[in-house]
Amino acid sequence: KAGVTQTPRYLIKTRGQQVTLSCSPISGHRSVSWYQQTPGQGLQFLFEYFSETQRNKGNFPGRFSGRQFSNSRSEMNVSTLELGDSALYLCASTRGGSNNEQFFGPGTRLTVL
Amino acid sequence: AQSVTQLDSQVPVFEEAPVELRCNYSSSVSVYLFWYVQYPNQGLQLLLKYLSGSTLVESINGFEAEFNKSQTSFHLRKPSVHISDTAEYFCAVSDRGSSNTGKLIFGQGTTLQVKP
Repeated sequence: KAGVTQTPRYLIKTRGQQVTLSCSPISGHRSVSWYQQTPGQGLQFLFEYFSETQRNKGNFPGRFSGRQFSNSRSEMNVSTLELGDSALYLCASTRGGSNNEQFFGPGTRLTVL
Repeated sequence: AQSVTQLDSQVPVFEEAPVELRCNYSSSVSVYLFWYVQYPNQGLQLLLKYLSGSTLVESINGFEAEFNKSQTSFHLRKPSVHISDTAEYFCAVSDRGSSNTGKLIFGQGTTLQVKP
């Protein structure tokens, strides 16, 4: 069974630009969660999508948004990039039930210059 | 609100020595508990989890963790570490409520450095 895939793996943008990251969950998984990992703040929950609906949201500004498609693939978008948005963005998928073991992708390394 | 505290940011240890990585959590509701491992330039891999039942959980590569409800702890232990165990380890919790299953709260991580 294929794991969680994320594209692109590396991305370099400049301040003010916007970026879209993609995540394909494990087949059969209906929930996709996104996390931001930085040396200073560690791993922080961004949001979770389940059956195309945002089910949970972390404490991030509105510049961070996401969506989920009918095939469970998810995208997250960051608008008006700031230097502090440089991070590893991880997505994770689960079946969505009470056993919430999350399977993580390799991440997208975003660098904002 | 939930929070997780990993008490050591770095743990240096010699190969074949025992190790304990400490994790305490705070939550007003019942939680699931997890340990994840992250190798350089990779995503997170689940090491072990506590969902219910026996408070001692084990992984296939020799790690174990014990859920202590009274002390709100979930410390990770291994009796004999290998060089290949060098990585960053994250303790995490999630709410048991079915609507919150996709939200993990992580500790700051502990870097385990195994020396030869």
